[in-house]
Amino acid sequence: NAGVTQTPKFQVLKTGQSMTLQCAQDMNHEYMSWYRQDPGMGLRLIHYSVGAGITDQGEVPNGYNVSRSTTEDFPLRLLSAAPSQTSVYFCASWPRGGMTYEQYFGPGTRLTVT
Amino acid sequence: EDKVVQSPLSLVVHEGDTVTLNCSYEVTNFRSLLWYKQEKKAPTFLFMLTSSGIEKKSGRLSSILDKKELSSILNITATQTGDSAIYLCAAPGGGTSYGKLTFGQGTILTVHP
Repeated sequence: NAGVTQTPKFQVLKTGQSMTLQCAQDMNHEYMSWYRQDPGMGLRLIHYSVGAGITDQGEVPNGYNVSRSTTEDFPLRLLSAAPSQTSVYFCASWPRGGMTYEQYFGPGTRLTVT
Repeated sequence: EDKVVQSPLSLVVHEGDTVTLNCSYEVTNFRSLLWYKQEKKAPTFLFMLTSSGIEKKSGRLSSILDKKELSSILNITATQTGDSAIYLCAAPGGGTSYGKLTFGQGTILTVHP
């Protein structure tokens, strides 16, 4: 199993550009989430999904869109990038009903918006 | 809105010291509290705590939950340079927000030789 994969690893965007951060998992996990991490802020939840076709907003959803058409994929779209979206982005997945709450994280995408 | 707060935000110690990291929470329909370690990459899971007063241990790391005080501590004894990392605590939401995990700001631990 590849686990949780994210692409790209690094990205530089200009203000106003759009892009999609890709996230995929091959563990058949129902739950998936996107987080951003900024210095001194821990991980903040952007959007999450409890299954294909079901998504909901987290703590900081503005400026980001998601969809979940399959169990495996959970892309994060930036419609018009802003410097405030410069951050490290992590995708995570975990199974419904697990005995522990261990989230499986992807390696992260470091995004810089100039 | 669910809230998780950690203290201190940073800590510098020398090898061999013992450290205590704190986490307090305000979560609707609380069910569990989680601790993670992050070293320049994605967080890795350490402990999940659900019952008050029961200590979870793994080597030199241990953690305990106090439901009355709405808090948890993570202890690291005989610290080593390899313990240098960001330590995060988090709590899942209740009810229909089960998929929603709220993290604290993290404690940056630096262990000098």
